[in-house]
Amino acid sequence: GDSVTQMEGPVTLSEEAFLTINCTYTATGYPSLFWYVQYPGEGLQLLLKATKADDKGSNKGFEATYRKETTSFHLEKGSVQVSDSAVYFCALSPTTGANSKLTFGKGITLSVRP
Amino acid sequence: DVKVTQSSRYLVKRTGEKVFLECVQDMDHENMFWYRQDPGLGLRLIYFSYDVKMKEKGDIPEGYSVSREKKERFSLILESASTNQTSMYLCASSSPGQGFGNTIYFGEGSWLTVV
Repeated sequence: GDSVTQMEGPVTLSEEAFLTINCTYTATGYPSLFWYVQYPGEGLQLLLKATKADDKGSNKGFEATYRKETTSFHLEKGSVQVSDSAVYFCALSPTTGANSKLTFGKGITLSVRP
Repeated sequence: DVKVTQSSRYLVKRTGEKVFLECVQDMDHENMFWYRQDPGLGLRLIYFSYDVKMKEKGDIPEGYSVSREKKERFSLILESASTNQTSMYLCASSSPGQGFGNTIYFGEGSWLTVV
C-alpha cells in the first residue's frame, strides 16, 4: 500500500540556519503530495502541496519539489525563524478515487533556537 | 474562514466509559475524517465518511465507531474506553477529489486521557 517515510527527528537549528526535511513516498501512479505543519497546541494546517511531477509548492519561505524519479518531496527553507518551531508532516493522496484520503508520515519536530 | 470545530479540547474519562467526540465543519464538505495522533506513530486514520450516513473503516477502527447523521457533523464514539486509547484525536474535512490536490482541513484536536 501507499506509505510516506520521513527522516528521523527531532531537529534543532539556530535561527537563520538552512532547513531540509527529507520525505520519500511509495505509491502507484501519480499521487498528490503535501506538507502539513502543526504549531504547539494546534491542529494541522496545510503548508504547501504539489499535484504533479516537477511541481514546486511554496509558502511562508518553505519550498518542496515533487521528484517522481526519486519519489521524494523534501521540504526546504533558506533561513528558519523561531516561529517555525513546530511538527512537520509529509503526506500523500493517491490519484485514483474521488474521495481519496491522506496517508501521513510520522512527523518530525523542529526546534529553532534564537 | 474555513472552520472545523471539535467540541472538547481536553477530556479525562474512566476505563469502560462510553466517550463521544464531536466534530462540526462549516464548509459544506462531503468528506470527513477522524485520525489519532501518537508520538512516533504520526497520524493514523480511524474512520472516514464520504456522505451522510456513510462510513468506512480506516487503518485502526478497532474499539471505535462513528456517526454521521448530518452533513456538517461527524462523531467518534469509543464504546468502552481503554487506557490505550489515550491520545490526541483530530477531525478533518475535505471536498471530493482530494486525490487531485484539494486541501483537507483539520480541527484543533481533542486530547483524551483514559484513566
